[in-house]
Amino acid sequence: GAVVSQHPSWVICKSGTSVKIECRSLDFQATTMFWYRQFPKQSLMLMATSNEGSKATYEQGVEKDKFLINHASLTLSTLTVTSAHPEDSSFYICSGSDRGNLNTEAFFGQGTRLTVV
Amino acid sequence: GDSVTQMEGPVTLSEEAFLTINCTYTATGYPSLFWYVQYPGEGLQLLLKATKADDKGSNKGFEATYRKETTSFHLEKGSVQVSDSAVYFCALPHTGGFKTIFGAGTRLFVKA
Repeated sequence: GAVVSQHPSWVICKSGTSVKIECRSLDFQATTMFWYRQFPKQSLMLMATSNEGSKATYEQGVEKDKFLINHASLTLSTLTVTSAHPEDSSFYICSGSDRGNLNTEAFFGQGTRLTVV
Repeated sequence: GDSVTQMEGPVTLSEEAFLTINCTYTATGYPSLFWYVQYPGEGLQLLLKATKADDKGSNKGFEATYRKETTSFHLEKGSVQVSDSAVYFCALPHTGGFKTIFGAGTRLFVKA
């Protein structure tokens, strides 16, 4: 299957700083990428949908000024957690879908565990 | 709207036991259906999929059959191993878009 590389796999940062997470599709073009947040022992919560070259669409309740998403190319999307606080500590996962194929599976990154201290 | 319902966990089994995790869905049309697996501390991996009614997806001893008449896609494995301990998600692609609709996930513990 297609490969999505997410980096870093874990990060610890101080409260008030910003953290950037990268998501790259290595062998396909992802017109659309999705960012999820997962709390311990819970399912994935979709945060936002990013389309290459346009603004991201955020789910209800997700602060767009805190979780900045950029999708500048067909192979790279980034999530920046700005002014991070301990409550932002979580597991973040990105996924991408192959361009133009509506009924295909999504391909997931390895996830990033963010700990804010 | 589209939705996926799967059985709540956790499910605890002994090694070599038979596994069934139920999944039913609601969708417009006949989308592909997926099972994803998430091992501790990792992202999701596609376990298997089925693209049309009566298709059987299989991988690593796991199977699931796309049942249109019951709108179900139950995951089964005849003999589980400790290494199968993970969280399993049933999913379908959002009709008309790329967004994936996930079930709540079922955590499986397999004891030696």
